[in-house]
Amino acid sequence: RKEVEQDPGPFNVPEGATVAFNCTYSNSASQSFFWYRQDCRKEPKLLMSVYSSGNEDGRFTAQLNRASQYISLLIRDSKLSDSATYLCVVTSWGKLQFGAGTQVVVTP
Amino acid sequence: EAGVAQSPRYKIIEKRQSVAFWCNPISGHATLYWYQQILGQGPKLLIQFQNNGVVDDSQLPKDRFSAERLKGVDSTLKIQPAKLEDSAVYLCASSLEGPGQGYTEAFFGQGTRLTVV
Repeated sequence: RKEVEQDPGPFNVPEGATVAFNCTYSNSASQSFFWYRQDCRKEPKLLMSVYSSGNEDGRFTAQLNRASQYISLLIRDSKLSDSATYLCVVTSWGKLQFGAGTQVVVTP
Repeated sequence: EAGVAQSPRYKIIEKRQSVAFWCNPISGHATLYWYQQILGQGPKLLIQFQNNGVVDDSQLPKDRFSAERLKGVDSTLKIQPAKLEDSAVYLCASSLEGPGQGYTEAFFGQGTRLTVV
């Protein structure tokens, strides 16, 4: 089993709609959680950290469920510019582990 | 603030040849990472340095890959000899602190796209 797993998608989302997807992790001792965004042929960039109480940044909401060992990302009012691959990142035992990414395609 | 610098941006080599990549992290960042990203996959950690010491190289194919970070600043990653399956983007990243020290955001360079033919 991979340490960090994501649904690869693609999630095809009409502009203005809401999309949500999860990431599961295998190490119950994982400490920190993040969502990175990667545009096609570009480097990953931090989108947001994920806190235990859940957190929101504009149209983006991240949640952490330690009991079920997953984190989620919800995007409201999707924009064309939200089209990208969203990488789940988990820190465990001093390592920064990436998932394979979830591709989101926002269509007009 | 200057970002993470990597060179070259692109490299095409024949199998069994050698290749080296260079990374200059953000000034003051103690932690430096080399990742390999194969098309359609997430970045895979090859090696992580804390200053000039290796923190984790468990996924580095040591029979052909080597990396060093002299003086705790710049780093080079070398592949010798290259195989077809080494075709990937090699990403360098740096962070102020590593995941074990109160992790802070990792900033990535633009990567080196390697094609082995």
